[in-house]
Amino acid sequence: KQEVTQIPAALSVPEGENLVLNCSFTDSAIYNLQWFRQDPGKGLTSLLLIQSSQREQTSGRLNASLDKSSGRSTLYIAASQPGDSATYLCAVVNSGYALNFGKGTSLLVTP
Amino acid sequence: NAGVTQTPKFRVLKTGQSMTLLCAQDMNHEYMYWYRQDPGMGLRLIHYSVGEGTTAKGEVPDGYNVSRLKKQNFLLGLESAAPSQTSVYFCASSYRPTGGNSPLHFGNGTRLTVT
Repeated sequence: KQEVTQIPAALSVPEGENLVLNCSFTDSAIYNLQWFRQDPGKGLTSLLLIQSSQREQTSGRLNASLDKSSGRSTLYIAASQPGDSATYLCAVVNSGYALNFGKGTSLLVTP
Repeated sequence: NAGVTQTPKFRVLKTGQSMTLLCAQDMNHEYMYWYRQDPGMGLRLIHYSVGEGTTAKGEVPDGYNVSRLKKQNFLLGLESAAPSQTSVYFCASSYRPTGGNSPLHFGNGTRLTVT
């Protein structure tokens, strides 16, 4: 069974710092990997989707990389802002229709 | 553009009661999903649908039923609620299957408490 682990579980940084969130998965036979953001009391917002044949995706200040062979992905956030404070979730698709989610990294960016 | 709308937002049930959660999407998506989110467990797929009139079981389907009579709506039913079904329920939809290149769009969730 696919296991998705996110490290760290929580992170607090001052505004302006660049930061990296980590995601690892045990079964490398994935179709894609997705990063989501979840604000308190809200649903999930899709940030980036990386197909298995791709190495990275970028959107604004966000960059996600994928190393399928080692079972790792990183989400890089440049020049962090207080508005980036949220929980970030990583999920992979192996087969079927289920996304296998990690438990998330709770990020706090302080002014 | 409303996206994915879930009703109700909150509900408290007594053990044994029944209820239906409604999900509506206005993006003409074929694929719809119901997930539950529990502390320490992450999100898990309950049921999903690959098109109008179809439903299929996900990872944790026991105690739930679903229907997709119209393309834009996906209903999740609890016939006899149990305390173990206390959770936050999320509906999601996508244009292509989850293994493709279209992301999932999530609703804001329904917080259900069963006493």
